[in-house]
Amino acid sequence: EAGVAQSPRYKIIEKRQSVAFWCNPISGHATLYWYQQILGQGPKLLIQFQNNGVVDDSQLPKDRFSAERLKGVDSTLKIQPAKLEDSAVYLCASSFPTGGSNTEAFFGQGTRLTVV
Amino acid sequence: AQKVTQAQTEISVVEKEDVTLDCVYETRDTTYYLFWYKQPPSGELVFLIRRNSFDEQNEISGRYSWNFQKSTSSFNFTITASQVVDSAVYFCALRNSNYQLIWGAGTKLIIKP
Repeated sequence: EAGVAQSPRYKIIEKRQSVAFWCNPISGHATLYWYQQILGQGPKLLIQFQNNGVVDDSQLPKDRFSAERLKGVDSTLKIQPAKLEDSAVYLCASSFPTGGSNTEAFFGQGTRLTVV
Repeated sequence: AQKVTQAQTEISVVEKEDVTLDCVYETRDTTYYLFWYKQPPSGELVFLIRRNSFDEQNEISGRYSWNFQKSTSSFNFTITASQVVDSAVYFCALRNSNYQLIWGAGTKLIIKP
């Protein structure tokens, strides 16, 4: 079974530029998460989708971050304009709801963003 | 409030020693799930174990074992006979009723040869 695919693996941009990350979850997984992980910290949830609907985006800085999952499969996360403090690893994860619960989340390798 | 605390920021042991990583959680939910993930230097978060709140049985998987105690809200992880390949950051997480994962800050484990 293929895992969660993310691209690119690395990205370096200048502040005020825009950047987009792509994620393809495990086939059949209805729930998709985007996390931001700053060096030395645990992952911070940015947005959670259930199919193509947003379950939680309370921690997404909506003035500069946006995310979509139009067909309920793959997803893109965009930052525009980027700030220095956006330098982090952006992790995508997916899970499959089963009955009243959900399986564990499976993570991609992440995109390491450096804003200079 | 829901919270996960991993008080050990970094642990360093010599290979073959046993090591325990602590995890304490807070939640008012009666049904919840707890997880451990491993994050090696490559960066990918690797799922290790899931435990639901109704199952307090300890679990052993090879050199790994987990001790879940609801009375103390703890879900500790022990590696027996540690190996250099166990070096990584280990995260404990709590899943709430919205299927969101609440993460601890992680414990960096260094296994010296």
